[in-house]
Amino acid sequence: GAVVSQHPSWVICKSGTSVKIECRSLDFQATTMFWYRQFPKQSLMLMATSNEGSKATYEQGVEKDKFLINHASLTLSTLTVTSAHPEDSSFYICSARDILAGGGLYNEQFFGPGTRLTVL
Amino acid sequence: AQSVTQLGSHVSVSEGALVLLRCNYSSSVPPYLFWYVQYPNQGLQLLLKYTTGATLVKGINGFEAEFKKSETSFHLTKPSAHMSDAAEYFCAVSVILTGGGNKLTFGTGTQLKVEL
Repeated sequence: GAVVSQHPSWVICKSGTSVKIECRSLDFQATTMFWYRQFPKQSLMLMATSNEGSKATYEQGVEKDKFLINHASLTLSTLTVTSAHPEDSSFYICSARDILAGGGLYNEQFFGPGTRLTVL
Repeated sequence: AQSVTQLGSHVSVSEGALVLLRCNYSSSVPPYLFWYVQYPNQGLQLLLKYTTGATLVKGINGFEAEFKKSETSFHLTKPSAHMSDAAEYFCAVSVILTGGGNKLTFGTGTQLKVEL
């Protein structure tokens, strides 16, 4: 149980184009999903917290107009990198919190396998 | 503000040897602490967590960690390393948000290498 998928697993795009990454909770409902980015050999940096049916909360320094997050259902959140540039190349990881597993206090998040974005 | 510090970005052990990965936390309130493992090009998998109760926490794959409030530590150990343990390990603390809810703050990670 508690499986989170991401699609695509890797993507290469040209500079200036937009890329959409999907994050799905496959066997549970997630009121909250989190988006992280990870540079090579570095830790995960939280970009934004996505709550179903409401606007995402972005961390300081993250451009909300560049990284569009939509959380339209309890099982799907999307991250769109708009007008991507080479500096946006990174590993993007989502996670989801299971509302039925007492995740509110313990904040147990289930992580997706990540999406490798390369912008040429 | 809550934070975690992982000492040693790289740790190398021989197969069968003890694994010790260090994590110290800073928190003004009782912390919730986690250890995650990440294999190359994959997401994170929860190894174990401490919330309340017993301070020695056992996780998957033979790992365990002990919460020591007096030392503000949550070190990860495994008695006997296996080649398959080679991965990146992250310590994390749950941060309570003023508006409700919480989020994870991760340490910088420790790369574990297991040698024959």
